[in-house]
Amino acid sequence: GAGVSQTPSNKVTEKGKYVELRCDPISGHTALYWYRQSLGQGPEFLIYFQGTGAADDSGLPNDRFFAVRPEGSVSTLKIQRTERGDSAVYLCASSLTPGESSPLHFGNGTRLTVT
Amino acid sequence: GENVEQHPSTLSVQEGDSAVIKCTYSDSASNYFPWYKQELGKGPQLIIDIRSNVGEKKDQRIAVTLNKTAKHFSLHITETQPEDSAVYFCAASISPGGGKLTFGQGTILTVHP
Repeated sequence: GAGVSQTPSNKVTEKGKYVELRCDPISGHTALYWYRQSLGQGPEFLIYFQGTGAADDSGLPNDRFFAVRPEGSVSTLKIQRTERGDSAVYLCASSLTPGESSPLHFGNGTRLTVT
Repeated sequence: GENVEQHPSTLSVQEGDSAVIKCTYSDSASNYFPWYKQELGKGPQLIIDIRSNVGEKKDQRIAVTLNKTAKHFSLHITETQPEDSAVYFCAASISPGGGKLTFGQGTILTVHP
């Protein structure tokens, strides 16, 4: 079946602009996660949704970052006033239920480049 | 918060040899330890995981060991093949937020034919 889908696969934007990154989780998966991966590093947790609500947003770096999941399926990560330091691969993952008994399935990510 | 250290950063082996990657973690409350394989341009893919009530787990050529007292865990790949070449990440998590993982820095594994 289809895996986690992320669009766009690549996004180039100018410093100060607003961007939206989209994630389509695996059908039926209730938990959705956003991670950020800088070059040569492991992924870093940003935010976790259980259904429509953000259960843990402790990884969001500042208030320029915001994510929504209005219908409990597709999620959008929004970044305002982008900075060059925001350049990274943004990974989305979903799991059937929250918790370690339900492993994370990652998408291929959106590579964001801020010029 | 949790901190996960991973070594080595690069590992080069000949086809058929074994490869071992080691990780240490800081938070004794962590109880779930997955390993991910990431190929170029792809997202991480879970290859094996272990929970704190188990000391060792094996799946064909891949095994993971956990020492909770010492707070370290290791990935062992036997009979390596060129297609095992990728970046490998260890991670740790505190249940019940099992999806909130803290990752290590990654190991670039190269298997030479």
